[in-house]
Amino acid sequence: AQSVTQPDARVTVSEGASLQLRCKYSYSGTPYLFWYVQYPRQGLQLLLKYYSGDPVVQGVNGFEAEFSKSNSSFHLRKASVHWSDSAVYFCVLSYGSSGNKLIFGIGTLLSVKP
Amino acid sequence: NAGVIQTPRHKVTGKGQEATLWCEPISGHSAVFWYRQTIVQGLEFLTYFRNQAPIDDSGMPKERFSAQMPNQSHSTLKIQSTQPQDSAVYLCASSDTGGAEQFFGPGTRLTVL
Repeated sequence: AQSVTQPDARVTVSEGASLQLRCKYSYSGTPYLFWYVQYPRQGLQLLLKYYSGDPVVQGVNGFEAEFSKSNSSFHLRKASVHWSDSAVYFCVLSYGSSGNKLIFGIGTLLSVKP
Repeated sequence: NAGVIQTPRHKVTGKGQEATLWCEPISGHSAVFWYRQTIVQGLEFLTYFRNQAPIDDSGMPKERFSAQMPNQSHSTLKIQSTQPQDSAVYLCASSDTGGAEQFFGPGTRLTVL
């Protein structure tokens, strides 16, 4: 069965520090993977997506993620975080014949200390 | 482009009352999805329309929940005889490919007293 695991429910970093949010997936087929961010009282916004090709994908606001088939991972990174990056980050797996089914990780709450 | 619009943003109902949630997808998008978000269960898929036709409702509770898409500009999620366990944020998303990249609305927070 398909699944997405985000092992860290909460991550706290200082402003300016680097960041890695972890994501592991389980899927026997070719995965489409996403990272979405949810700011307080707002809907989910797409940060970046991976369909195929270069395993490192760039997203908005300096975020990037690296896909690893061997590790079944899709970790999110940022070189230097800003206080405005504080939000909940969701790793998402898309599957199905049309790629229309999404499975969400539980989310990681990122708190950036000023 | 106003994005996906959901109304109301907040709804409070009494136990046993009906709740109707509205979603207006992004103009031109052919697919509409409904999700439910709770602290305990996280984000769960409910149902999916493509070109107004119901495609997959495998996530919908078998009783009391129904969804429709009467035209390409809006979809509704109706919950009859609401129960406290229905309290959640209900998210609507739309896609122009019917597939992976979905654009989400701000959600409707339903509170059942």
